[in-house]
Amino acid sequence: DTEVTQTPKHLVMGMTNKKSLKCEQHMGHRAMYWYKQKAKKPPELMFVYSYEKLSINESVPSRFSPECPNSSLLNLHLHALQPEDSALYLCASSHRDQGGQPQHFGDGTRLSIL
Amino acid sequence: QQQVKQSPQSLIVQKGGISIINCAYENTAFDYFPWYQQFPGKGPALLIAIRPDVSEKKEGRFTISFNKSAKQFSLHIMDSQPGDSATYFCAASINNNAGNMLTFGGGTRLMVKP
Repeated sequence: DTEVTQTPKHLVMGMTNKKSLKCEQHMGHRAMYWYKQKAKKPPELMFVYSYEKLSINESVPSRFSPECPNSSLLNLHLHALQPEDSALYLCASSHRDQGGQPQHFGDGTRLSIL
Repeated sequence: QQQVKQSPQSLIVQKGGISIINCAYENTAFDYFPWYQQFPGKGPALLIAIRPDVSEKKEGRFTISFNKSAKQFSLHIMDSQPGDSATYFCAASINNNAGNMLTFGGGTRLMVKP
């Protein structure tokens, strides 16, 4: 079992739907991350939240909208996605100020866009 | 520009053999080097990690060798088992004003034949 919990595990949605991915951690980490992973590729960073504030947006299209309601929760709101957005979406967390520490990943949400 | 280069892309090893995966980095500011193991349908799981002031770290059958002057590090899996069949990602981490930021290698798909 991972210490970062992501729901749902699988999501199928149409291009006009609105859905949300959820991520939760209780390790006291104050940095949280969203990644997108395509098959046979490493995770690709999308967003970083530091102390619940958006610190990094890697030029992600506005159809992806992140939210960090509190220090334990991270959401990714999805709207009007494209077929190429089908991928595994991973959430991770880490210590914010202490270097030499790993990111801990959840098992991801497998997203399929019809 | 890829800052962490990983080789080989794929590796087939007989049960009981040694699996070796190599990585090279460019940015000398990296302060932490984790290896992640990823099984199909799962998120990357931290396997073992090393800091640049250490030349070798061993945990069970897994060993990281680190060469700071050459800016290279490698993962050795001794007595490889079929259950080790997975994708392995090396990474290099740096702590900045957002968190502990990872740069991933391209990944190695390991197959251990029984």
